[in-house]
Amino acid sequence: DAKTTQPNSMESNEEEPVHLPCNHSTISGTDYIHWYRQLPSQGPEYVIHGLTSNVNNRMASLAIAEDRKSSTLILHRATLRDAAVYYCILRDGEAGTYKYIFGTGTRLKVLA
Amino acid sequence: DTAVSQTPKYLVTQMGNDKSIKCEQNLGHDTMYWYKQDSKKFLKIMFSYNNKELIINETVPNRFSPKSPDKAHLNLHINSLELGDSAVYFCASSPSPPWAQETQYFGPGTRLLVL
Repeated sequence: DAKTTQPNSMESNEEEPVHLPCNHSTISGTDYIHWYRQLPSQGPEYVIHGLTSNVNNRMASLAIAEDRKSSTLILHRATLRDAAVYYCILRDGEAGTYKYIFGTGTRLKVLA
Repeated sequence: DTAVSQTPKYLVTQMGNDKSIKCEQNLGHDTMYWYKQDSKKFLKIMFSYNNKELIINETVPNRFSPKSPDKAHLNLHINSLELGDSAVYFCASSPSPPWAQETQYFGPGTRLLVL
């Protein structure tokens, strides 16, 4: 099972900011928080990742809570092309056998 | 140039047949993966190879046999196809094994339909 929990779906208006939450209460000190998204009929693509500090890149920002038990992916201005399923992922398993477990993700709907 | 490519894009076949899906990455990565996404859209890891060696083997029927002829290629052969094998299969690659927590790059997927 995934070590993260996310809302099943969210809606946003075009051109408005979107905050996608993720809970990961069992995160360990060395686990990075990764976000991927899957556009319709495509493979997942990397969005952003971070460890402790907030992170920014050209696609999004990642805000990480001080206790690291939750994080929020921020899309500053949602466009129709951002409609996708967003996955928050931690590595799972034991040392030497780590893997990424994709949960159900959050389906983001962007309204024109 | 496509970073991770898969062939074929679509595969329609009869139950009981044997089929292969091919994956190639031109990123120079050491690690490659196969994931399965079923009709409910759950994406699950099946296998992973690092430098041509199997490092992850989830609970997958032994009808599925991955083969990595070199670091840039990871193929998936499926024997005796069943209806439940219908899914989208994604190949992915990363510079290092998943414990390094590096970005994974996914291919466009192979849509397999077993009739």
